Amino acid sequence: EIVLTQSPATLSLSPGERATLSCRASQSVSSYLAWYQQKPGQAPRLLIYEASNRASGIPARFSGSGSGTDFTLTISSLEPEDFAVYYCQQRSLWPLTFGGGTKVDIK
Amino acid sequence: EVQLLESGGDLVQPGGSLRLSCAASGFTFSNYAMSWVRQAPGKGLEWVTSISGSADATYYADSVRGRFTISRDNSKNTLSLQLNSLSADDTAVYYCARHPGIIAGKWFDPWGQGTLVTVSS
Repeated sequence: EIVLTQSPATLSLSPGERATLSCRASQSVSSYLAWYQQKPGQAPRLLIYEASNRASGIPARFSGSGSGTDFTLTISSLEPEDFAVYYCQQRSLWPLTFGGGTKVDIK
Repeated sequence: EVQLLESGGDLVQPGGSLRLSCAASGFTFSNYAMSWVRQAPGKGLEWVTSISGSADATYYADSVRGRFTISRDNSKNTLSLQLNSLSADDTAVYYCARHPGIIAGKWFDPWGQGTLVTVSS
């Protein structure tokens, strides 16, 4: 199975700062990677699919990049509502797998 | 508006069984593959199982294969998950989620609000 490793586990930032989240795959997943945001008590929400495509309704401050084994989710300027946990997910091979998550909290 | 509404979560004893349902609305259900994803308390997301739009293909995580069965009724816009031989490790919020097309195995969008399964004596 493809293991996704997210780093850092926690990212402490202030509103307005730039957030850079990493997801590394144990083998190439091409561009078959998605990113999700989850807030406490809520279901995950799709942000990015196929590594760099923003989902419908997602603000432009969210962007994804990468291919192969190394991927990045960037939030250009953190808004108060962006403090949450972020997960990556690969669809290159069964079983579908998720990373362990990165928590973005307020510094 | 696309909506997914899970139900059926409960407290069940180890070794017991449970059936979860997900009622879909706002889209042509048979045109989309569906999945169940679970999240243990305080933990990350774990994909559990998927089914194609026409129900001719199903996929399972090793951790549940042989114990869980996914199914769908396209005439009733309902996705189901039968959980058997439950253990404490199966305690989690179970989310149903839609794939972007009829074939399973892509990203998940949207997700339901989840239903809690607790396995404990």
